[in-house]
Amino acid sequence: DQQVKQNSPSLSVQEGRISILNCDYTNSMFDYFLWYKKYPAEGPTFLISISSIKDKNEDGRFTVFLNKSAKHLSLHIVPSQPGDSAVYFCAASARRQKLVFGQGTRLTINP
Amino acid sequence: ETGVTQSPTHLIKTRGQQVTLRCSSQSGHNTVSWYQQALGQGPQFIFQYYREEENGRGNFPPRFSGLQFPNYSSELNVNALELDDSALYLCASSQDPLGANVLTFGAGSRLTVL
Repeated sequence: DQQVKQNSPSLSVQEGRISILNCDYTNSMFDYFLWYKKYPAEGPTFLISISSIKDKNEDGRFTVFLNKSAKHLSLHIVPSQPGDSAVYFCAASARRQKLVFGQGTRLTINP
Repeated sequence: ETGVTQSPTHLIKTRGQQVTLRCSSQSGHNTVSWYQQALGQGPQFIFQYYREEENGRGNFPPRFSGLQFPNYSSELNVNALELDDSALYLCASSQDPLGANVLTFGAGSRLTVL
């Protein structure tokens, strides 16, 4: 039972353009959502989060949008930079308990 | 401030053997969670330790067990290894058991079961 799904295994974007990573969830009890970024041979690092009481959260070049009715969230990176090339994981939790992760999307930024 | 360190980084075992993975939590963190990441998948929650006791468990059989020590470091033990146990095992620490948004992950221990 995959409660958090990232349906795009990979995404390729030109440097300077917008990267949009998508995530869908099925559990309506999820009330906190996070994005983690993972480079090869490193552990995932926290990127940005959003509470279910909000529909948008920004941090510099990164913005997360939450559409509760559609059970969908997205991460926008503008402008995309070569250092953004990594695997991005969407994660969710209910009442700040265990994190449930999606399968990840490999983002490649092309010069 | 030191991060989360895990050992060993890589190891190979055969079916039926037992393995112990170790994790040192980030300074100031008292909670440790373990995740299994199979190839091409996202991390899956195994269990969490807080104050040296198991504080939540995912859908993993009892042959997955753990310990947390007074210095907040932790071990993950897997008995009777199966081929499907081949994965990257990630340890993450946090300041409290409810701090889901401040998990700090180690680089992981990659286990191969032959």
